[in-house]
Amino acid sequence: DQQVKQNSPSLSVQEGRISILNCDYTNSMFDYFLWYKKYPAEGPTFLISISSIKDKNEDGRFTVFLNKSAKHLSLHIVPSQPGDSAVYFCAASADDMRFGAGTRLTVKP
Amino acid sequence: ETGVTQTPRHLVMGMTNKKSLKCEQHLGHNAMYWYKQSAKKPLELMFVYSLEERVENNSVPSRFSPECPNSSHLFLHLHTLQPEDSALYLCASSQDRRTGGIYGYTFGSGTRLTVV
Repeated sequence: DQQVKQNSPSLSVQEGRISILNCDYTNSMFDYFLWYKKYPAEGPTFLISISSIKDKNEDGRFTVFLNKSAKHLSLHIVPSQPGDSAVYFCAASADDMRFGAGTRLTVKP
Repeated sequence: ETGVTQTPRHLVMGMTNKKSLKCEQHLGHNAMYWYKQSAKKPLELMFVYSLEERVENNSVPSRFSPECPNSSHLFLHLHTLQPEDSALYLCASSQDRRTGGIYGYTFGSGTRLTVV
């Protein structure tokens, strides 16, 4: 039962442009949503989170948007940089954390 | 240095072998987790320990046996594995289960396991 879905396995954008990573979930009991970033040969690193009572959270170049009615969240990276190239995991938590399959972002110079 | 250390980084084992994965954290966290990451699949939660007690076993086969001797160490004992168990095994920790869900987990770099 996959409760958190990332339907795009990969995304490629030009340096300086916006990257938009999407995530859908099915369990309305989730009360926090998180994004992690993973480089090769490293574990996932926490990036940003949002409470279910909010619809937007911003931290520097990273903004997460939550649409509860659509059970959808997205991560915007503006402007995108080559160092942002990594796999991004969406996660949602109630008692414990459930993850999506990840989206590989490539930012081209 | 992530604060969560996993050893070994790579492991190749036969189906009849017994091996153990080790995870160590000195962050003062009280919750520790084992996740399995197979190619192109979501991270799968395997086990959760809170204050050294197992609080969740996510329908994991008995050939995987966790152990948490103290709040800083977590082991995953492996025996008679199958080739389909080949994956990246990730350990994570958080201050407690609730806080982890809000502020995120600290992950180790993982053990890449290959079963031959």
